[in-house]
Amino acid sequence: AQRVTQPEKLLSVFKGAPVELKCNYSYSGSPELFWYVQYSRQRLQLLLRHISRESIKGFTADLNKGETSFHLKKPFAQEEDSAMYYCALQTDSWGKLQFGAGTQVVVTP
Amino acid sequence: DADVTQTPRNRITKTGKRIMLECSQTKGHDRMYWYRQDPGLGLRLIYYSFDVKDINKGEISDGYSVSRQAQAKFSLSLESAIPNQTALYFCATSVRTGGNEQFFGPGTRLTVL
Repeated sequence: AQRVTQPEKLLSVFKGAPVELKCNYSYSGSPELFWYVQYSRQRLQLLLRHISRESIKGFTADLNKGETSFHLKKPFAQEEDSAMYYCALQTDSWGKLQFGAGTQVVVTP
Repeated sequence: DADVTQTPRNRITKTGKRIMLECSQTKGHDRMYWYRQDPGLGLRLIYYSFDVKDINKGEISDGYSVSRQAQAKFSLSLESAIPNQTALYFCATSVRTGGNEQFFGPGTRLTVL
């Protein structure tokens, strides 16, 4: 069965410190993974997708098929990174997504 | 700007009432989705539609029904609301090709008393 696990409900870090959000998945096919972010009072929006291999707002995520992980990382957290982050797995060729439970990130000065 | 809108934004209702949540989009996307968000559970897919004539159940469709009135409109109905349907409901759209991002509406906060 497909599953996305985000083990941390809350991650509290200091400004300037590194931040890593964990995401593990189970999927029998070739995975396509995404990170979505929801800032306070804003809509859920795409942060990055693994096929693009891009860095957005200083965040990167590497797909590790051996460990079935897609952790999100940023070397120096900023206060504006405070948000809810969701890891999502595309479960079929039609674009359906399965979301993890989400990780709330709080960056304190 | 092309957008995804949801009405109402907030709704309080009583157990047993019929409720309709509406979603409209001006993005020209074929695919539309309804999710509910609950604390600690993330977003779960209720229904999805890949075009006007194609509607499919998602992970948690029991107690819900949908209608795709046009390419731009996708409504979610709760025929007889119950308290555990209290949640934040999101509509989303995407283009036809898999692997593309989904664009979300602002959400509807529904409270069933």
